Amino acid sequence: EVQLVESGGGLVQSGGSLRLSCAASGLTFSNYAMSWVRQAPGKGLEWVSVISGSGSTTYYADSVKGRFTISRDNSRSTLYLQMNSLRAEDTAMYYCAKDLIPRKPIVGATNYDYWGQGTLVTVSS
Amino acid sequence: QSALTQPASVSGSPGQSITISCTGTSSDVGGSNYVSWYQQLPGKAPKLMIYDVSNRPSGVSNRFSGSKSGNTASLTISGLQAEDEADYYCSSYTSSSTLVFGTGTKVTVL
Repeated sequence: EVQLVESGGGLVQSGGSLRLSCAASGLTFSNYAMSWVRQAPGKGLEWVSVISGSGSTTYYADSVKGRFTISRDNSRSTLYLQMNSLRAEDTAMYYCAKDLIPRKPIVGATNYDYWGQGTLVTVSS
Repeated sequence: QSALTQPASVSGSPGQSITISCTGTSSDVGGSNYVSWYQQLPGKAPKLMIYDVSNRPSGVSNRFSGSKSGNTASLTISGLQAEDEADYYCSSYTSSSTLVFGTGTKVTVL
């Protein structure tokens, strides 16, 4: 069974950095694009970033471009999100999510069939 | 990357059908066949209900169906059940190679 387990969240001051991790199991990790999606407390879902299975292609939401970096280590079946210059508005539950279809040619056209339980990031101002 | 527009709430009685709309632009919903719908129960991660406008993943009830016309996608839940009470979000691939979610709709079963 596919499992995604996030870690690395916590309380950080505005302007600080955090690195989130998402450990995947039960799948051939390199076959799937992976994403980060966040949800501020009591708010809706916000797409953050996607990375192709090989790691060669990445896309970001405008709200995080230039501050966040998505990456992956296929040998460790782990997805990462390096978050720098954090702001109060980055406070949210961060989910990693797996694309439904393997080796999809259009990287950003993702449908998420598995999600992690989320890791909470709180940025204090 | 403005969020797609959904009604804040939709309600219906058990057994009825309801439809949730998701309105975007020609740069996302109108120009994409990659529209998905997610169900989110309180305190839980979202669950994929519909992908690529009208396809159901394995295990999702056939009471859920999706469609699209122009810049608006729709999710229809037929034979509404108490267990369908949840928040629902649409998403669409965009012309910028990114993804955008809808504002979310709270479904209440009366």
